[in-house]
Amino acid sequence: AQSVTQLDSQVPVFEEAPVELRCNYSSSVSVYLFWYVQYPNQGLQLLLKYLSGSTLVKGINGFEAEFNKSQTSFHLRKPSVHISDTAEYFCAVRPSNDYKLSFGAGTTVTVRA
Amino acid sequence: GAGVSQSPRYKVAKRGQDVALRCDPISGHVSLFWYQQALGQGPEFLTYFQNEAQLDKSGLPSDRFFAERPEGSVSTLKIQRTQQEDSAVYLCASSLVGRENYGYTFGSGTRLTVV
Repeated sequence: AQSVTQLDSQVPVFEEAPVELRCNYSSSVSVYLFWYVQYPNQGLQLLLKYLSGSTLVKGINGFEAEFNKSQTSFHLRKPSVHISDTAEYFCAVRPSNDYKLSFGAGTTVTVRA
Repeated sequence: GAGVSQSPRYKVAKRGQDVALRCDPISGHVSLFWYQQALGQGPEFLTYFQNEAQLDKSGLPSDRFFAERPEGSVSTLKIQRTQQEDSAVYLCASSLVGRENYGYTFGSGTRLTVV
């Protein structure tokens, strides 16, 4: 079984400041890793994914994440946030031999001017 | 269609009422998933279809929950005798193939409130 822990439930941040959202996972098999964003009253939108290869993954809207196998982490970063980045962010894992996504509880990012 | 379409967007049901939630996946997508997202939580897997075959229903919380996809396209999630604990957002996702496509396209969800 897999589990995902998002270490921060809420992250307030000022506009143009950097942000990091932390995600740790546990799994007995190799996994693929994802970050999704959910804007109010909308579905989940894929920000980025790690399948294999380079551990630094770049996604949409200026986000990037780094896979650290030894620390079983997949932290999401953005060097300079905008008001429009205010949303809920979910880290998710999927075993490489399965189809089920397991999600963390989410991190609410609130960007203030 | 261009995306995954779910209807209705909002549903209020009285406790004990039956409800039906519809998902229209992206045309040609073989795999279809239902997830349940309780307030303040991440989505949790309910069930998985490949074409019309329901290959996994291990996440359905009780026998009051039933899903179908009779022609391999539109899917319906039915909840019988709704209870307050069924209040959640129900998300549908689809993908072109199963495990190979890595990332799924999610719909906007149906927010169910049981009163």
